[in-house]
Order: sequence, then structure tokens, then C-alpha cells
Amino acid sequence: EPEVTQTPSHQVTQMGQEVILRCVPISNHLYFYWYRQILGQKVEFLVSFYNNEISEKSEIFDDQFSVERPDGSNFTLKIRSTKLEDSAMYFCASSPGGDGIAFFGQGTRLTVV
Amino acid sequence: AQKVTQAQTEISVVEKEDVTLDCVYETRDTTYYLFWYKQPPSGELVFLIRRNSFDEQNEISGRYSWNFQKSTSSFNFTITASQVVDSAVYFCALDTGGYQKVTFGTGTKLQVIP
Repeated sequence: EPEVTQTPSHQVTQMGQEVILRCVPISNHLYFYWYRQILGQKVEFLVSFYNNEISEKSEIFDDQFSVERPDGSNFTLKIRSTKLEDSAMYFCASSPGGDGIAFFGQGTRLTVV
Repeated sequence: AQKVTQAQTEISVVEKEDVTLDCVYETRDTTYYLFWYKQPPSGELVFLIRRNSFDEQNEISGRYSWNFQKSTSSFNFTITASQVVDSAVYFCALDTGGYQKVTFGTGTKLQVIP
């Protein structure tokens, strides 16, 4: 079965630094998502992306976050100035749309120190 | 709006016992998919099963079985003869397809004691 791939699997960054989390969605999928899971809590929706623009975002997705599909294969989440509370597992997902379902990547664990 | 409720926050069982994890969902869509994911301590989401709303047949995969009942909007997951390796957090999730986001439950932490 095709996979959504995320890199890196674990990233440690200093508070205030910018990080970019990378995802390669399934190749024929049209919708892309980022989810976040703070340790011990539920998986929460951050943002959805379609046709090169954000289609929906949660209240968590504030101005320090941005998403991009720079080259037709990668889908990135940028956190501009990381805070300690950004430490979490970040999951990327993609979906073909229509009746299709979302497939999740294995996650990137971000640790802000 | 979609909602998934996993009322059991934590469950402890002794190895070889059977355990059922409950999941109740809410949606107005007639077409949807339900999932179970396992999240071990390493953090990744391990896909276990997906069912679509038109298929109410129960499914068994080894020691795992799933009971989907539309009448009660439930999609319960049973592990038979539990093992220590089953210790993890288990998430139930609802996907109404298209561009809609997936809604996760709050998870049930299962601890299997040797």
C-alpha cells in the first residue's frame, strides 16, 4: 500500500528557532493535512491544503505556522519561532478527495528546548 | 459536526485476558469510514483497520476483532488473549471522506500486565 513519508522522525530545536517539517504525500492525492499531538493528548487537526492554498485551519494554526507545497511532491509545515509548547508529534496526512480516505505518515517528534 | 468518544481513558488487564475498547461516534454523513490506530510508546500511528459505513460485517484479524453497529453508532475493538506487546494507546477515528478532516477520539491507554 502507498505511504505518506515524513522526515525527520525526530527533531530537536532551540526555542525561537525556525523548523520545517517535511512530508511526501501519496502521489495522486490532492488534499494534504497536518495534525498535532501533544504528548499524552489527542491528535488534533491543524490545517488542510488543497489546490495550493489552505482550505481550513484550526485555532491552533496561528501566524507562526505556515504550509507550503514547494515542488509538487513535498508538503511542508514551517514553525517560524518555536516555543516550548510546540513540542509535540506532528502527523502529515493526504487524501485523494471524493470518497477517498486519509492516509497518515509516521509522524515527526518535535522537541523544543 | 463529527465527534468520536472513547470513554475509557485507561484500562489495565492481566496478560491473556480479553479486553474490549469502546468507541462511539457521531456524524450526519451517510458515507464515512471508521478507523482504529495503535500508538506505541515510540509515538507513531500504526494503522489497524478501516471500515466503511456500508459494511457492518464484523471483522477478525488474528487476536483482534471489531464490532461495528450502526444502530448504536459504535465501533468497538476487542483484543483476545492480550499480550504485553499490546500495551499502547489506541485511537478510534472517523473520516467522512472528501476533503473533510479526520476526527480522533481521545484515546484509550491499554496496559497489559505480565
